[in-house]
Formats: sequence, C-alpha cells, structure tokens
Amino acid sequence: GENVEQHPSTLSVQEGDSAVIKCTYSDSASNYFPWYKQELGKGPQLIIDIRSNVGEKKDQRIAVTLNKTAKHFSLHITETQPEDSAVYFCAASEGEFYFGSGTKLNVKP
Amino acid sequence: ETGVTQSPTHLIKTRGQQVTLRCSSQSGHNTVSWYQQALGQGPQFIFQYYREEENDRGNFPPRFSGLQFPNYSSELNVNALELDDSALYLCASRADRGLGTQYFGPGTRLLVL
Repeated sequence: GENVEQHPSTLSVQEGDSAVIKCTYSDSASNYFPWYKQELGKGPQLIIDIRSNVGEKKDQRIAVTLNKTAKHFSLHITETQPEDSAVYFCAASEGEFYFGSGTKLNVKP
Repeated sequence: ETGVTQSPTHLIKTRGQQVTLRCSSQSGHNTVSWYQQALGQGPQFIFQYYREEENDRGNFPPRFSGLQFPNYSSELNVNALELDDSALYLCASRADRGLGTQYFGPGTRLLVL
C-alpha cells in the first residue's frame, strides 16, 4: 500500500516568514495530493490540492509543488499569520486516501 | 463549514461494549469514508461506502462495520471495544468514487475505559 511521510513534525516561524512542509509518497499510482489544515477540536479542512498532471498550484498565500519523478510534494505558506497556526496534513490518493503524520505549525506574533 | 455533520461529538464507553457513530454527508455526495485518528497522528482509512455498499477497506478488523443510507447518512459500528479504539473518528464525503474533493466532518471523540 501507499506510504506517506511528512516532515517536519513541528515548525515554528515568526509572523511574516514563510513555512514549508514536505511529503514523500511511495505508490506511483497516486495521482491526487490534497493538503488539510486541522484546528483543535475540528475535522481536517481542505486548503489546497494538486493533481498529478500539474507541477505547481497557487492560491493567494498558499502554494503546492509536485515532483512526480521524485515522488514528493510540498506546501508553501508565505507571509504567515498567527491564524495559520494549526496542524497540517498531506495526503496521497489513487482512490483511497493515505495521510502523513502531520506538522504542527506555530506562528509567533 | 463543510456541510458534513457527525454525532455525537464525544462518547465514553467501556471495554467490550459496542458503539454506533453517525454521519450526515453533503446532499448529492454518494461516497463516504470513515477514518480513525489517534492522538498526534494522521487519519487512518477504515472503509469507504459508495451507493450503500462497502467498496474499499483499510487494515481494520471485521468488528469495524458500517452502513450507508439513501438519505446521505451513514454509520460506523464498532463491536467489542478495546482500549486502543480510543480516537477521533472522522467521516468524509465526496461526490463520486474517484478523485473528487473530500470534505470532513468535525469528528466524534471516543474514549474507551
């Protein structure tokens, strides 16, 4: 089955700095890669996703890049704000979804 | 808000008991998946239902079972509860079996004593 690894497990940045979270996957059949934000006491919320026929996607301060050859994808958050503080999960899917173990992002004001 | 609701929000059971968790999907979403999220971990796939039939299953024993109803509601049943079943249980719905966007509910926090 698919194996998704996510790094780092915790990330602390100053407000206004950029944050980068990286994931690798093992199954070359995976072709959909969503990123979720989970706040305390809530379910994961989709923030951005990318499909395997695209190398990069951007939505305001958030961007995701995908390298299919190397089987890795990354989340980039620019101009971080305290409300970006949460746990972020990557996932890989070819129908069934496999999640990384999460990154706890802390944005210090 | 995702339009996916779950009940109850919290639940306490004792080892050996049975539990039923409920989920209401977005209207028109005929695929629902259930996940178990242990503290500090990512969600683990339990199973998926499409048009009221289980069509995919993760690495969970048969004591985890489910139902999906025509009105876009679904249930997760767990028999013979074990201490390790303590977790956040999430349901997620999407419009089809393929690569459609998946929307999560807020989860049910289950504690097994």
